[in-house]
Amino acid sequence: EADIYQTPRYLVIGTGKKITLECSQTMGHDKMYWYQQDPGMELHLIHYSYGVNSTEKGDLSSESTVSRIRTEHFPLTLESARPSHTSQYLCASSEGTSGWESQYFGPGTRLLVL
Amino acid sequence: SQKIEQNSEALNIQEGKTATLTCNYTNYSPAYLQWYRQDPGRGPVFLLLIRENEKEKRKERLKVTFDTTLKQSLFHITASQPADSATYLCALDVGGGNKLTFGTGTQLKVEL
Repeated sequence: EADIYQTPRYLVIGTGKKITLECSQTMGHDKMYWYQQDPGMELHLIHYSYGVNSTEKGDLSSESTVSRIRTEHFPLTLESARPSHTSQYLCASSEGTSGWESQYFGPGTRLLVL
Repeated sequence: SQKIEQNSEALNIQEGKTATLTCNYTNYSPAYLQWYRQDPGRGPVFLLLIRENEKEKRKERLKVTFDTTLKQSLFHITASQPADSATYLCALDVGGGNKLTFGTGTQLKVEL
């Protein structure tokens, strides 16, 4: 079982609120990722990090931002939530040594913006 | 742009049979391909990774093949069980750096 955690698991919030989705891993992995997944659809990479103080945007444009101040922690922030942000957000990590390692996923946060 | 196609229709099979799922891709020559399992409301779980110089990989009841000429991977589950019912995703590292692009997945249902 992978040691990667996400909180909250479910979040219902009103338009305009600022939210932070938490992601932590205890495996000491260098690489971390955020994906967005709508029901029945594929995962889309929105952010990734190769280590502390390293963050990059993924293939899918997102209004969210991320930070990587500590190896184990990779939070995602939405400054002003909108209904279009309603989705499932999945955090993942990988060891980052070979270049083709598997990714470990958290349970996800299901976000509903009213 | 890179496209990864998996059977969009659900696959229903009887317990004990072999399930075969397909992953086709275009416009890229990946160094490796990965398969994940996803249960409803949960994050994907890694199953197998196969490299471009490997034709086949096995793990218990799972087998993956990788044909770089056809640009296709096949994922087999032998002696399938109801517990194998889930959505199976294939993923490629399109841009390097282990940034994965996922297919939409194929939902497998194993019936008694």
